[in-house]
Amino acid sequence: GENVEQHPSTLSVQEGDSAVIKCTYSDSASNYFPWYKQELGKRPQLIIDIRSNVGEKKDQRIAVTLNKTAKHFSLHITETQPEDSAVYFCAASLTGGYNKLIFGAGTRLAVHP
Amino acid sequence: SAVISQKPSRDICQRGTSLTIQCQVDSQVTMMFWYRQQPGQSLTLIATANQGSEATYESGFVIDKFPISRPNLTFSTLTVSNMSPEDSSIYLCSVEAGSTDTQYFGPGTRLTVL
Repeated sequence: GENVEQHPSTLSVQEGDSAVIKCTYSDSASNYFPWYKQELGKRPQLIIDIRSNVGEKKDQRIAVTLNKTAKHFSLHITETQPEDSAVYFCAASLTGGYNKLIFGAGTRLAVHP
Repeated sequence: SAVISQKPSRDICQRGTSLTIQCQVDSQVTMMFWYRQQPGQSLTLIATANQGSEATYESGFVIDKFPISRPNLTFSTLTVSNMSPEDSSIYLCSVEAGSTDTQYFGPGTRLTVL
């Protein structure tokens, strides 16, 4: 079955710096890769996703890149702000009838003013 | 997106008892999912619930311990049976909504077993 590894487990940056979180997946059939942000005590919220027919997707300060050959994808946050502090989870799935999300272990991001 | 609610939001239960968690969605959805998030950990899929059929359980989870109902397209329940302290976790339901495969999560139920 699918396995998703996520690095680093913790990340500390200064406000305004960039943050990069990386994930690798094992099942080459996976075709959908969402990223969720979870603030303390709250539900995971989808922040961006990418499908296997696209190499990069951007939404304001957030971007995701996908390398299907290497089976890894990354989240990039630019101009970080204190409100970006949260736990970020990557996930992978094979869509089309049974969208079973397999999550990475999570990255705790701290943005210091 | 979808508006998802869960009841209860939290509970403290005694060992050996059972708790049923409800998940309500504001629109009809085909697939509903139940996840467990142990303290400080990631999300682990327990089972997938389709309306009108038995739930599909992931490895390590069994129906006797986590029975699931899916009586209609907007509602599902997860029961945590014969609880032990190891069952203390946040339980979240999620749904696929809209024309994409995006999953949206409910607010979660924080369960503490004493």
